[in-house]
Amino acid sequence: KQEVTQIPAALSVPEGENLVLNCSFTDSAIYNLQWFRQDPGKGLTSLLLIQSSQREQTSGRLNASLDKSSGRSTLYIAASQPGDSATYLCASNTGGFKTIFGAGTRLFVKA
Amino acid sequence: DVKVTQSSRYLVKRTGEKVFLECVQDMDHENMFWYRQDPGLGLRLIYFSYDVKMKEKGDIPEGYSVSREKKERFSLILESASTNQTSMYLCASSSRRRIVLNQPQHFGDGTRLSIL
Repeated sequence: KQEVTQIPAALSVPEGENLVLNCSFTDSAIYNLQWFRQDPGKGLTSLLLIQSSQREQTSGRLNASLDKSSGRSTLYIAASQPGDSATYLCASNTGGFKTIFGAGTRLFVKA
Repeated sequence: DVKVTQSSRYLVKRTGEKVFLECVQDMDHENMFWYRQDPGLGLRLIYFSYDVKMKEKGDIPEGYSVSREKKERFSLILESASTNQTSMYLCASSSRRRIVLNQPQHFGDGTRLSIL
């Protein structure tokens, strides 16, 4: 059964710092891996989706990488801003209807 | 832009009540999902539906049922609400072609449900 883990659970950084959020998964036979952002009291917003055949995806200051062999994905945020403060979740799909979510990393960027 | 709308942002009900949570999407998506989100546990799938009148159990279906009478609407029903069903409930939808085309799920803003 696929398990998705995100460490750390919370992270606080000063504005302008580059940072990396980590996601690990137990079953390397994934179809895709997705990163979401969740603001307090809100739903999830899709940030990046990496297909199993891809190694990374980029959108603006965000870069997500995927290493299936090691069961890891990272989300790199460049030049962090206070507006990046949110909870970031990763989720893996192994080809069916079910998507397995991590518990998230709560990010706080200090001005 | 895909819009997934959940009928209530906040809801307070009493133990034993029958509770209905409604979700509507406007993108003609075949797949719809209900999750609950609890601190430290992430999102857990309750039920999903891949077509009208079709439903499948997720990982934690006990105490819940669903209804999908129209393609755009997916309802979650708590038959007899209990305090351990206090949670944030999130609805999502996706295209059937998602599996092939790697399209993401789209989420509503959630309903924070409190059972007293």
